[in-house]
Amino acid sequence: GQQVMQIPQYQHVQEGEDFTTYCNSSTTLSNIQWYKQRPGGHPVFLIQLVKSGEVKKQKRLTFQFGEAKKNSSLHITATQTTDVGTYFCAGGENSGGSNYKLTFGKGTLLTMNP
Amino acid sequence: EAQVTQNPRYLITVTGKKLTVTCSQNMNHEYMSWYRQDPGLGLRQIYYSMNVEVTDKGDVPEGYKVSRKEKRNFPLILESPSPNQTSLYFCASSLSRTGFDGYTFGSGTRLTVV
Repeated sequence: GQQVMQIPQYQHVQEGEDFTTYCNSSTTLSNIQWYKQRPGGHPVFLIQLVKSGEVKKQKRLTFQFGEAKKNSSLHITATQTTDVGTYFCAGGENSGGSNYKLTFGKGTLLTMNP
Repeated sequence: EAQVTQNPRYLITVTGKKLTVTCSQNMNHEYMSWYRQDPGLGLRQIYYSMNVEVTDKGDVPEGYKVSRKEKRNFPLILESPSPNQTSLYFCASSLSRTGFDGYTFGSGTRLTVV
């Protein structure tokens, strides 16, 4: 079955450092989504990528979708305390007809010194 | 305000005592889903529904039931809860199964079964 692997599992940074989390799928994806979950909160949708090689930016966040549509990354430039939380990728696989499945990675927990 | 509402937020119960966690969305979304979140395991799908009276099993359906009698409501039923169902539960909804507009998550229900 479809597997979505996310690394690293944990990342501790100093405020101002950059941060990257990577997502890899065992199969070709139709789309990939990214979510953020603050400590004690619920996942919140950030963005979706659909096209091969697509790059999207949201302020200090840069999202990429690989050429083969099997991997993706989220890069945060100059982290701030508000970036703390768990970042999830979710890969969508369309196997025909109504058979679509969105599989979540296990997430990367970003922590920071106060 | 567009939202997914789950109740209760916290619940402590005893083994074998039937319980229902309610989920309601006010966005006229067709697709609704239940996830459980456990440390180190990420978000795992329990059940989903593509429309009224249409439900299907996710990755970890054992011990759970759902129903979709109205478009806005998607309750999760534990007929005979066991301690291994202690977890953080999230309800999510989307316009469609592909979630091309992203999934909207409820605030979560933290369930403890003793």
